[in-house]
Amino acid sequence: DIQMTQSPSSLSASVGDRVTFTCRASQGIRNDLGWYQQKPGKAPKRLIYAASSLQSGVPSRFSGSGSGTEFTLTISSLQPEDFATYYCLQHNTYPWTFGQGTKVEIK
Amino acid sequence: EVQLLESGGGLVQPGGSLRLSCAASGFTFSSYAMSWVRQAPGKGLEWVSSISGLDGTTYYADSVKGRFTLSRDNSKNTLYLQMNSLRAEDTAVYFCAKGLLITPRGYFDYWGQGTRVTVSS
Repeated sequence: DIQMTQSPSSLSASVGDRVTFTCRASQGIRNDLGWYQQKPGKAPKRLIYAASSLQSGVPSRFSGSGSGTEFTLTISSLQPEDFATYYCLQHNTYPWTFGQGTKVEIK
Repeated sequence: EVQLLESGGGLVQPGGSLRLSCAASGFTFSSYAMSWVRQAPGKGLEWVSSISGLDGTTYYADSVKGRFTLSRDNSKNTLYLQMNSLRAEDTAVYFCAKGLLITPRGYFDYWGQGTRVTVSS
């Protein structure tokens, strides 16, 4: 199975900060990667597909990049509603695998 | 408005069975792949299974293969997950998710609110 490793596991940041976190695949997955946001007790929400394409309705402060084995999600100016856990998901090879998540907390 | 409404969760003994349903509305159900993703208490997300809207081909995580069966009834706009031989490690909230495309990809644009499954004696 392809292992997806997210780093850091958590980070503290302030409103207005630019934050970037990483998702690494144990083998190349082209750009077959999506990003999701989840708040406690809620269903995940869409963010990014095909590593860098913004899903419909997602604010432009979110951006994704990468290909192969290393991917990043950037929030250009953190907003109060962005404090959540973020997951990457690879679908290059079955079984699809999520990263363990990066929790973004308020500093 | 797209809506996904899961049902069928509950408490079941180890070795028992449950059938989860996901009633879809607000889009042409047959034109999209559908999936289930679960989340054990305090843990991260785990992909469980997906089904193509094109030909009904199904895919499963190794942890559920041979025990879970995914199906869809396009006439009823409903997705089903038959779960047999349940284990304690299947305890989780199960989310239904709509794919972006007719063939399965890891891109979900809508999610249900989840249904809780607890496997315990």
